[in-house]
Amino acid sequence: SAVISQKPSRDICQRGTSLTIQCQVDSQVTMMFWYRQQPGQSLTLIATANQGSEATYESGFVIDKFPISRPNLTFSTLTVSNMSPEDSSIYLCSGGQGAPMDIQYFGAGTRLSVL
Amino acid sequence: QKEVEQNSGPLSVPEGAIASLNCTYSDRGSQSFFWYRQYSGKSPELIMFIYSNGDKEDGRFTAQLNKASQYVSLLIRDSQPSDSATYLCAVNSISSGSARQLTFGSGTQLTV
Repeated sequence: SAVISQKPSRDICQRGTSLTIQCQVDSQVTMMFWYRQQPGQSLTLIATANQGSEATYESGFVIDKFPISRPNLTFSTLTVSNMSPEDSSIYLCSGGQGAPMDIQYFGAGTRLSVL
Repeated sequence: QKEVEQNSGPLSVPEGAIASLNCTYSDRGSQSFFWYRQYSGKSPELIMFIYSNGDKEDGRFTAQLNKASQYVSLLIRDSQPSDSATYLCAVNSISSGSARQLTFGSGTQLTV
């Protein structure tokens, strides 16, 4: 298995501010992903973090709202910008080795509350 | 749109019984199938993965895959109170880009 470290574990933020979440993975990981899990819901993929280039966003998620960086193979950040209460959710980073097995392991998550 | 459907819960089984969790998927191109366990307030934890038709056993857990029927299941034998959690089925697929992603079902909440 891979070791995925994510921080902060939780935060309470004011409307209109931004929060950056950090994710550090061990060297076994080549792929990194960011998910959102809204209360009582399953996981929704926000984007695939690409090393040294723009992330690949899923439908419904845009770079202006969720800018993602991945400056090297083992580190990525997700920023939740101009937050509103609707952004209150758990944000999860995952990592894996990609094809062919596509196994992913998850960090502990960031529980975000926006007031 | 790729979909992963899980049987609606919550599912309640007595201690020592077999818990059966089911999942169907829509993408015939899917090749990898996963079961994650998520305790309340925690992140998902990978417990089983399967790639070939048939059964795969790991301790008290057995994953079953039938690609023709697009069906995957998880059996938990001798269920324990510590198995009480939400179980997420996940299936791989090729996204609109080139990255391979997992699509998750809505989860089944199990209470033992």
